[in-house]
Amino acid sequence: DTEVTQTPKHLVMGMTNKKSLKCEQHMGHRAMYWYKQKAKKPPELMFVYSYEKLSINESVPSRFSPECPNSSLLNLHLHALQPEDSALYLCASSQDWARSYEQYFGPGTRLTVT
Amino acid sequence: DQQVKQNSPSLSVQEGRISILNCDYTNSMFDYFLWYKKYPAEGPTFLISISSIKDKNEDGRFTVFLNKSAKHLSLHIVPSQPGDSAVYFCAAGGHQFYFGTGTSLTVIP
Repeated sequence: DTEVTQTPKHLVMGMTNKKSLKCEQHMGHRAMYWYKQKAKKPPELMFVYSYEKLSINESVPSRFSPECPNSSLLNLHLHALQPEDSALYLCASSQDWARSYEQYFGPGTRLTVT
Repeated sequence: DQQVKQNSPSLSVQEGRISILNCDYTNSMFDYFLWYKKYPAEGPTFLISISSIKDKNEDGRFTVFLNKSAKHLSLHIVPSQPGDSAVYFCAAGGHQFYFGTGTSLTVIP
């Protein structure tokens, strides 16, 4: 199983809502990543978890709150987002941080903030 | 400023011919270079990689070439097939990777 799953596929939320994005993998990978991709732009790294610990936070605003409850799951909690946060949010995993050159991506969650 | 650039947003190639996708980067410290393929409504799929100590890596129909002095890499697909039609992203880095904006390849039957 080389699959990374993400739910939901699409999400529309208001600026006062609280929602969560979920990512799951069962490949035994110990590094997991959140990326944000705006239209016609490259994916941009937001967070990296290595062995369930936050390793990298690319100066992401606090309205995005990641969580890694176990080695298979990665969540991204959203609160008080802005319309400019509308984007495709991609989750990825790799065997570990040292092997980040081989990341497996999920299909993404298309987020629209109204 | 983008550290990885793909200057061709799109490319059309006849089936059976060679597709060449190009990528430029700015940071000479990058260790690894990757190519991903993305179909609509799917996440990027890892295709092939090359480390900075090599100048060529081949996997079936896909070959990646690295020119460190020019800070340039390219992906060659030969022969191109209609199923290769997708967006191709290059990425470069060490542990953290920076992605290009992608090149949309269309292989015409």
